[in-house]
Amino acid sequence: SQTIHQWPATLVQPVGSPLSLECTVEGTSNPNLYWYRQAAGRGLQLLFYSVGIGQISSEVPQNLSASRPQDRQFILSSKKLLLSDSGFYLCAWTPRQFTGATNEKLFFGSGTQLSVL
Amino acid sequence: DQQVKQNSPSLSVQEGRISILNCDYTNSMFDYFLWYKKYPAEGPTFLISISSIKDKNEDGRFTVFLNKSAKHLSLHIVPSQPGDSAVYFCAASALGYSTLTFGKGTMLLVSP
Repeated sequence: SQTIHQWPATLVQPVGSPLSLECTVEGTSNPNLYWYRQAAGRGLQLLFYSVGIGQISSEVPQNLSASRPQDRQFILSSKKLLLSDSGFYLCAWTPRQFTGATNEKLFFGSGTQLSVL
Repeated sequence: DQQVKQNSPSLSVQEGRISILNCDYTNSMFDYFLWYKKYPAEGPTFLISISSIKDKNEDGRFTVFLNKSAKHLSLHIVPSQPGDSAVYFCAASALGYSTLTFGKGTMLLVSP
């Protein structure tokens, strides 16, 4: 069966420090991978998604970047964190054949609570 | 511009009663709709979905209704249980797109 791992679970970082959140998926090949953020009053905001190694689409211009160095690995990074980067970060995956109109769903990781102080 | 709207940030219901969570969308390209449930400090989990060719889908205590002409869907939980207390997200997708668009969520509190 497929599983998604996301770490760390919680993170407290000072403003201006770098960030690296990692996500890996097991039990599937060629998944679509996503980074979402849940911030207060903002719901689930899509940050980045990737349909393949090295292919990253950014949905919202901001202080963050994403990389996909391996098929089942997705990394969220920042060179200098801002206070506004605080939030609950979620990694998710779907089968590569996700077309948006069939009986498929996003599967989420357990999330990382990031507090920037 | 928010394409999926959940206008009620919170809803309180007594145990055993019906919970009705609402969702509106603006993008007429959306043709598949999903509800996710999220507990604090956990990732959302899939609850129920509906295709645009249907107007109702039922799964146990959960039923989703879709009104395409009004671009409106609702999630009914009957009977509500305290364990249903969570944030519920409405999401939509369009054919050919690899992403889901989520609403802001509605926090449901079911009291004993």
